[in-house]
Amino acid sequence: GQNIDQPTEMTATEGAIVQINCTYQTSGFNGLFWYQQHAGEAPTFLSYNVLDGLEEKGRFSSFLSRSKGYSYLLLKELQMKDSASYLCAVRAYSGAGSYQLTFGKGTKLSVIP
Amino acid sequence: EPEVTQTPSHQVTQMGQEVILRCVPISNHLYFYWYRQILGQKVEFLVSFYNNEISEKSEIFDDQFSVERPDGSNFTLKIRSTKLEDSAMYFCASSGDRGDEQYFGPGTRLTVT
Repeated sequence: GQNIDQPTEMTATEGAIVQINCTYQTSGFNGLFWYQQHAGEAPTFLSYNVLDGLEEKGRFSSFLSRSKGYSYLLLKELQMKDSASYLCAVRAYSGAGSYQLTFGKGTKLSVIP
Repeated sequence: EPEVTQTPSHQVTQMGQEVILRCVPISNHLYFYWYRQILGQKVEFLVSFYNNEISEKSEIFDDQFSVERPDGSNFTLKIRSTKLEDSAMYFCASSGDRGDEQYFGPGTRLTVT
């Protein structure tokens, strides 16, 4: 099975930087995804790591360490619209020729003025 | 920008009734998925579909669930005899390749009374 842990809630100030951590345990690891989900809406893709290191995409960066089973999402220059849940999702090879994406419970980020 | 669409946006049904949730994946995508999210809980994988057959399914996807691609554009999820606990948001997703990021539709909110 898979186990994905991320903090339930975080609060940060507009204009600041926030780091959301995710730890995972899985077999057949094949990539880690971060999605953003506003309340009542669908998850939207933010970033993807399959190799160790940092991937930067504008105000968002994501880091992966496969040996530690650890990833983080870094959000810079926070804006009020960044208030949302951030979902860590691990893709693993299922052994049946396909991959399965397993989501964590999400971290609800509140950005305050 | 191409997007996944889903209909209806909200479906209310009585326990024991059959429902069909519809999705139109992004046109050049080959891999299709259904997920559900019970209110306040995490996104859960139901099933993946490729080349007109199920490639992977979770424990949730029991005999009362089925998927179909009836034509070249639609992808449907049928629940034969709905239960109260089937009330959830159902998301369809698609990806170009099995290793690519998945793009989610806006979801169908299913309420079983």
